[in-house]
Amino acid sequence: TQLLEQSPQFLSIQEGENLTVYCNSSSVFSSLQWYRQEPGEGPVLLVTVVTGGEVKKLKRLTFQFGDARKDSSLHITAAQPGDTGLYLCGGSASYGSARQLTFGSGTQLTVLP
Amino acid sequence: EPEVTQTPSHQVTQMGQEVILRCVPISNHLYFYWYRQILGQKVEFLVSFYNNEISEKSEIFDDQFSVERPDGSNFTLKIRSTKLEDSAMYFCASTGESGANVLTFGAGSRLTVL
Repeated sequence: TQLLEQSPQFLSIQEGENLTVYCNSSSVFSSLQWYRQEPGEGPVLLVTVVTGGEVKKLKRLTFQFGDARKDSSLHITAAQPGDTGLYLCGGSASYGSARQLTFGSGTQLTVLP
Repeated sequence: EPEVTQTPSHQVTQMGQEVILRCVPISNHLYFYWYRQILGQKVEFLVSFYNNEISEKSEIFDDQFSVERPDGSNFTLKIRSTKLEDSAMYFCASTGESGANVLTFGAGSRLTVL
């Protein structure tokens, strides 16, 4: 069973601060996705990373996939209250045809104005 | 933008009753999934479905659960005899043939078992 550990579980910061969320595993993933989930809604895809060492930027969000494809990070620069939400990482192994995702436990981010 | 639609948004049921949760995946997608999220816990994989049959299922997906694609557009999850611990948000997701496992999730169906 593949496991993804996310840290921190909870993060409360002031508007304008920077933050990093980590997603770690002992398993290798063929791809890793970051999702954001609002209360009462389903996860919404932010980014997919597939290549070891890959860095992707989405406005103030920077995503990195570890060289060994076992870990990933999400860095937010100058956080805003609109960034508040549950951030989930989900990894996919290169087995089977159904390509299920294994999710981390999530990081609940609160950005205070 | 295409979306995955789930109904009902919230269902309350008595323990032991049967429940059917419905999903309409994105029309040209080929892989369908059910996930669940118990309040305060992680999103857990239940089952994947491809080419009209189950591809993979987790330990959670026991004999009380079943899935069906009855008419080419709907994808249903049935729980035969609900238990208190089945209370959770159930998310349907789908993905197409191409792309690196990019799942599109529905908004979820909240199931409350009393």
